[in-house]
Amino acid sequence: GEDVEQSLFLSVREGDSSVINCTYTDSSSTYLYWYKQEPGAGLQLLTYIFSNMDMKQDQRLTVLLNKKDKHLSLRIADTQTGDSAIYFCAESPSGGYNKLIFGAGTRLAVHP
Amino acid sequence: DTGVSQDPRHKITKRGQNVTFRCDPISEHNRLYWYRQTLGQGPEFLTYFQNEAQLEKSRLLSDRFSAERPKGSFSTLEIQRTEQGDSAMYLCASSLGGTPEAFFGQGTRLTVV
Repeated sequence: GEDVEQSLFLSVREGDSSVINCTYTDSSSTYLYWYKQEPGAGLQLLTYIFSNMDMKQDQRLTVLLNKKDKHLSLRIADTQTGDSAIYFCAESPSGGYNKLIFGAGTRLAVHP
Repeated sequence: DTGVSQDPRHKITKRGQNVTFRCDPISEHNRLYWYRQTLGQGPEFLTYFQNEAQLEKSRLLSDRFSAERPKGSFSTLEIQRTEQGDSAMYLCASSLGGTPEAFFGQGTRLTVV
């Protein structure tokens, strides 16, 4: 079946790195995604990784994929107060289009 | 390119009334999706269009829900005889076939009283 799990809450100090973790179940997922949602807003695509890659870096964001363990992580370097939001992990099960299965989200709180 | 646009942003309705939401995707995107998000949860897939064809509907989409995309551009999602359990954020997303990025609108927050 399709299921994505994330820890619900993470608190970090401003300037530190944040690491948000996710596990998924569908080993045939072609892409894995990270979205950000601020209060009352829609979802902002942060980054995604193709399933045959194990790492992707994009400015302050680093995505690590362990396909064997079906584990995905998002590292945010030099975390800022503007990074406070809910972060959703999502998988795209094989099927030829972008239907996404989301986790429940990790709320990131950044404090001074 | 103004992104995915949804209207209205907020809707309050009485139980039993019908409501309709509109989504305008990014102009060249041929794929369009509807999701529902309840408080504290991630979005849940409802339905998918490729051009004007509705190719998949989730079990979550009861008979009271109908979605259309008549000309392969904008889409509407109608809920008939609303129930309190329909209160949620309804999100629309679009993508271009063959590309992995799906972009979301700001959502329509429905409150059924």
